[in-house]
Amino acid sequence: SQKIEQNSEALNIQEGKTATLTCNYTNYSPAYLQWYRQDPGRGPVFLLLIRENEKEKRKERLKVTFDTTLKQSLFHITASQPADSATYLCALGDGGYNKLIFGAGTRLAVHP
Amino acid sequence: NAGVTQTPKFQVLKTGQSMTLQCAQDMNHNSMYWYRQDPGMGLRLIYYSASEGTTDKGEVPNGYNVSRLNKREFSLRLESAAPSQTSVYFCASRDSTDTQYFGPGTRLTVL
Repeated sequence: SQKIEQNSEALNIQEGKTATLTCNYTNYSPAYLQWYRQDPGRGPVFLLLIRENEKEKRKERLKVTFDTTLKQSLFHITASQPADSATYLCALGDGGYNKLIFGAGTRLAVHP
Repeated sequence: NAGVTQTPKFQVLKTGQSMTLQCAQDMNHNSMYWYRQDPGMGLRLIYYSASEGTTDKGEVPNGYNVSRLNKREFSLRLESAAPSQTSVYFCASRDSTDTQYFGPGTRLTVL
């Protein structure tokens, strides 16, 4: 069956450092991969999308890589700030009806 | 432009009661989705609607029904609530760039 794995343990980093979150998947060939941010008690908010033919995408302090051979995506936040503290969700898209399969998320805590 | 709205925000039901969760979007999107989110698990797709007048089952449809009332509205109905349906429910809509926009969620407890 399809499976998506994100680090279940919280990631604690110091302000100013780069946070790197991992998303691994098996038994799936996604057309694209997305990253969302979710704050407590709120709905997910879209951050970045990367398609299967793209290796890397950037948006301001965010960078995502997509390796379809390793079946892995890395999500980087450079110059992290306490305001970046949240849960980050990885989601794979099927390119058809665009159904998404979500990972359980990784909680990031950025400390001053 | 309110985006995706959901009502109610919170609900407590007794086992066997029924209720409908309402969702509306004002972004003129064709596709809409209902997810549930449980602790330690990712969002799981319950039902989706690729366009007005069509609905299809997702990963966990049992115990739920949906109605795509028009292009704006997509409702989720629990006919006979069970404790296993205690969860946070999110509605979403999708734009032409494949971005999904989520509502604020409905926190449902079934006793």
